[in-house]
Amino acid sequence: QKEVEQDPGPLSVPEGAIVSLNCTYSNSAFQYFMWYRQYSRKGPELLMYTYSSGNKEDGRFTAQVDKSSKYISLFIRDSQPSDSATYLCATGRPYGNNRLAFGKGNQVVVIP
Amino acid sequence: GAGVSQSPSNKVTEKGKDVELRCDPISGHTALYWYRQSLGQGLEFLIYFQGNSAPDKSGLPSDRFSAERTGGSVSTLTIQRTQQEDSAVYLCASSLATGSFGTQYFGPGTRLLVL
Repeated sequence: QKEVEQDPGPLSVPEGAIVSLNCTYSNSAFQYFMWYRQYSRKGPELLMYTYSSGNKEDGRFTAQVDKSSKYISLFIRDSQPSDSATYLCATGRPYGNNRLAFGKGNQVVVIP
Repeated sequence: GAGVSQSPSNKVTEKGKDVELRCDPISGHTALYWYRQSLGQGLEFLIYFQGNSAPDKSGLPSDRFSAERTGGSVSTLTIQRTQQEDSAVYLCASSLATGSFGTQYFGPGTRLLVL
């Protein structure tokens, strides 16, 4: 079983729609949860970061973590064409080498 | 300030040749990571450096892969006798702290194509 599962299917939505992305993870030792955004031919950039269950909002973006079910989500409200990118979920542990375990990513296309 | 930089941005090589990929982390960042991103596979951890400690090589896929970090700053990832399955984007990341959780900042990657 992979440490982080993210259905890699592409997602196309019309401008202004809500984008909903999610991942599951297998190891309860993971205590940090991140969403990275990766534009084509660029490196991943940190979008959202949280270490607790619940919701965290940043503008149009909301990250949601449910540690009891090992489920993490990202919601993008009022999606814009500039949100078109690949979104990667990632988890990490607070000890050891702090390496991140990534999902495969979702390619999101926001159609004007 | 300057982010993580990597060179070359693209590399095409023939099967069996050796390649060197370079990473310049953010100044002052003590932790440095190499990841590999293959088509449809997501990011895969390769190796981790923290200060002057021995690197964590647990993610290296074979002994053809090695990395070093000189002076606690620049790092080089070397792949010997490249194979076609080595074709991928190699990403470097650096972070300020471990112990507590340090945010990892990624470079743009080196796209390696082995013919």
